[in-house]
Amino acid sequence: DSGVTQTPKHLITATGQRVTLRCSPRSGDLSVYWYQQSLDQGLQFLIQYYNGEERAKGNILERFSAQQFPDLHSELNLSSLELGDSALYFCASSATDRVNQPQHFGDGTRLSIL
Amino acid sequence: AQSVTQLDSQVPVFEEAPVELRCNYSSSVSVYLFWYVQYPNQGLQLLLKYLSGSTLVKGINGFEAEFNKSQTSFHLRKPSVHISDTAEYFCAVSDAGAQKLVFGQGTRLTINP
Repeated sequence: DSGVTQTPKHLITATGQRVTLRCSPRSGDLSVYWYQQSLDQGLQFLIQYYNGEERAKGNILERFSAQQFPDLHSELNLSSLELGDSALYFCASSATDRVNQPQHFGDGTRLSIL
Repeated sequence: AQSVTQLDSQVPVFEEAPVELRCNYSSSVSVYLFWYVQYPNQGLQLLLKYLSGSTLVKGINGFEAEFNKSQTSFHLRKPSVHISDTAEYFCAVSDAGAQKLVFGQGTRLTINP
């Protein structure tokens, strides 16, 4: 058990809809990272937050947004969903904002767009 | 831009045989290197990391990796595998001053009895 909790585990929705994925980091960790894992693109870094502030951005679409709340949990919002957004979305947390720190991954949210 | 190439998408081996999973990276500056393992229906778990110092890094579950700067490689090895090692293995790299990890496409390790 990594200590990182992601909800929901599975999400099925339709094109054009909006969903919110939630992540609770490991106790004491201040950084949250979001990743997208798909068969064609592999594991892609989306965005990082540290103590409530955006710290780094990767290949995140404009239709996607995220935030980290004062209690350090994070949400990833995906809107105007397309078939290609079907993927496994992982959240990871680490103690600091330094990339040399181990990242602890949740079990992911599997998003299926019909 | 950083990139990581895992040279084998699938590696089948017999139980108790040795295994090497290959990883090459492209970066012109100091790098941090990582190997993560993903068991079925789970998130990724850190196996080992190289930040600096000794080029031979030992990790969990009997795995080790060697950093070779001249060949820009960070291959993962285990002298004797078990059925429980069946998983997908990801190599990842970050420039020392960067804020993000770049992952390879993964290598699926299958252990046959």
